[in-house]
Amino acid sequence: DVKVTQSSRYLVKRTGEKVFLECVQDMDHENMFWYRQDPGLGLRLIYFSYDVKMKEKGDIPEGYSVSREKKERFSLILESASTNQTSMYLCASSRPEGQGLSAFFGQGTRLTVV
Amino acid sequence: GNSVTQMEGPVTLSEEAFLTINCTYTATGYPSLFWYVQYPGEGLQLLLKATKADDKGSNKGFEATYRKETTSFHLEKGSVQVSDSAVYFCALHTGGFKTIFGAGTRLFVKA
Repeated sequence: DVKVTQSSRYLVKRTGEKVFLECVQDMDHENMFWYRQDPGLGLRLIYFSYDVKMKEKGDIPEGYSVSREKKERFSLILESASTNQTSMYLCASSRPEGQGLSAFFGQGTRLTVV
Repeated sequence: GNSVTQMEGPVTLSEEAFLTINCTYTATGYPSLFWYVQYPGEGLQLLLKATKADDKGSNKGFEATYRKETTSFHLEKGSVQVSDSAVYFCALHTGGFKTIFGAGTRLFVKA
């Protein structure tokens, strides 16, 4: 059974803290993604990576960075957490298929910044 | 630019009712279209997809037909169950790395 695993289901952090969200996939996928999900806004892409050490900004990268040192692991970093980063964060992975691409998602991390 | 518009929820139905969730899209080129489902407390999972015009995707009793002339990909199911209660996302992909998601439609099914 294919899997994308996020390290935490729930996190509570204080304003100004540095926060790490970890994601691991066991499918040997080249592409990995971080989204945030907010009510009424659907999923918005924060960053993605198409190879080890490669990263590209998505639609809302401000306040975030990422790291991909190994193919299976993609980390999202909040350099200085703020209350407007309270959200559900979803990690996904996929193959580089081009058309017909479909993604596998982790279970999500609900982050609350207080 | 590319975009996906879904009907606003929540949608509330009784068990065994017919379901339609509307989805229309705007895209350059020839996108692939998807429906994803998110059950409570979980991440998204692919429900069905269609990669070209007039294709019909189907899975678990759900189906959707890729209509290029109306730029639509409406999700249907003939008889919903309580276990279908979830949030449904329509999405499109035109190549490259980005998938565009709709805002999601929450479905409640009452016993």
